[in-house]
Amino acid sequence: TQLLEQSPQFLSIQEGENLTVYCNSSSVFSSLQWYRQEPGEGPVLLVTVVTGGEVKKLKRLTFQFGDARKDSSLHITAAQPGDTGLYLCAGAGGYQKVTFGTGTKLQVIP
Amino acid sequence: GAVVSQHPSRVICKSGTSVKIECRSLDFQATTMFWYRQFPKKSLMLMATSNEGSKATYEQGVEKDKFLINHASLTLSTLTVTSAHPEDSSFYICSANDLSGEQETQYFGPGTRLLVL
Repeated sequence: TQLLEQSPQFLSIQEGENLTVYCNSSSVFSSLQWYRQEPGEGPVLLVTVVTGGEVKKLKRLTFQFGDARKDSSLHITAAQPGDTGLYLCAGAGGYQKVTFGTGTKLQVIP
Repeated sequence: GAVVSQHPSRVICKSGTSVKIECRSLDFQATTMFWYRQFPKKSLMLMATSNEGSKATYEQGVEKDKFLINHASLTLSTLTVTSAHPEDSSFYICSANDLSGEQETQYFGPGTRLLVL
């Protein structure tokens, strides 16, 4: 079974602070996605990383895929209240199946 | 962009009744759809893979007779929770893979909140 552990599980920060969320596994994934989910809604795809060592930037969000394609990180610069939500990493395995990480609940306080 | 819809968005039912949840891909065809279950403040747990025209593939620990899946067309998959009990109360989310673009993309529905009384 492929497991994806996210850390931290919960994070409460002040507006303007920076933060990093980590996603770690002992398994190798062909690609890894990051999603953001708000209460009562489905997850929304933020980014897909495919190549080991790849770094992608989406405005204030920076995503990195580990060289061995087993881990990833999400860094948010100058967090805003609108960034509040549940952040999920997900690894793509075989048969189009996706394994979700344990999740990181972020709260940005104005 | 591609959209996946779910119906109903919320449902309350009595214990012992069956509930059907629909998942539709609105502007693309999906031979494969996935059904997830999510408990409060937890991550998504894959329940089963719905395959168009064939039987669904269930994850370990998921009762196939309890959670009936029918993928009757390339745009519709249904999940029926049979003889629902309070412990079946959860947030059910479906997803569908769009293979038509350069990169395979998975789109998620908005979820269905089930409350069994």
